[in-house]
Amino acid sequence: DAGVIQSPRHEVTEMGQEVTLRCKPISGHNSLFWYRQTMMRGLELLIYFNNNVPIDDSGMPEDRFSAKMPNASFSTLKIQPSEPRDSAVYFCASSPGGRNTEAFFGQGTRLTVV
Amino acid sequence: SQQGEEDPQALSIQEGENATMNCSYKTSINNLQWYRQNSGRGLVHLILIRSNEREKHSGRLRVTLDTSKKSSSLLITASRAADTASYFCATDTTGGGNKLTFGTGTQLKVEL
Repeated sequence: DAGVIQSPRHEVTEMGQEVTLRCKPISGHNSLFWYRQTMMRGLELLIYFNNNVPIDDSGMPEDRFSAKMPNASFSTLKIQPSEPRDSAVYFCASSPGGRNTEAFFGQGTRLTVV
Repeated sequence: SQQGEEDPQALSIQEGENATMNCSYKTSINNLQWYRQNSGRGLVHLILIRSNEREKHSGRLRVTLDTSKKSSSLLITASRAADTASYFCATDTTGGGNKLTFGTGTQLKVEL
């Protein structure tokens, strides 16, 4: 397996534009996580899914953020409209689910909003 | 919010020395995990210790867990320059539905 695949790796966009980040989890994994990493706030959990269903989105900062998982092999994180303070590295991770399982991270998307 | 706080925030040692990082957390857990992140890369899982375990080894890594103090430590023995990275603890909290909450991380630099 190629691991968790995120696209794009880098994104530069202007304030106010819509941004869509994509993630392909490892085949067979039941849990998917979206994290945001910044110097100021560290690694924050935004939302996670079990079996394609959003379980906890309490980390989503604002209504401008939305995430979907239409099937077991694809998830998106959308920011509309984007703002400069959204600049960060966004990570997607997947795990087999269940107790005592590790998470596998993608390489991240570095988002810069100018 | 950060479940785990790591200490120290930064650590610089010479190759061959041991490195110890500590993690404290706030709520009861199913397990605690340690991850490594090289600059500009994703996180990589190192080791998982369950709440009913007190110590675990994997190669040059030794992890301890004290649930009464809500703390864990990661020891890297005989460090190498290639161990230079950031290290994070992550907790799978009881009733959390296997979501992982990460600590603030320790930046380790191993010098030749």
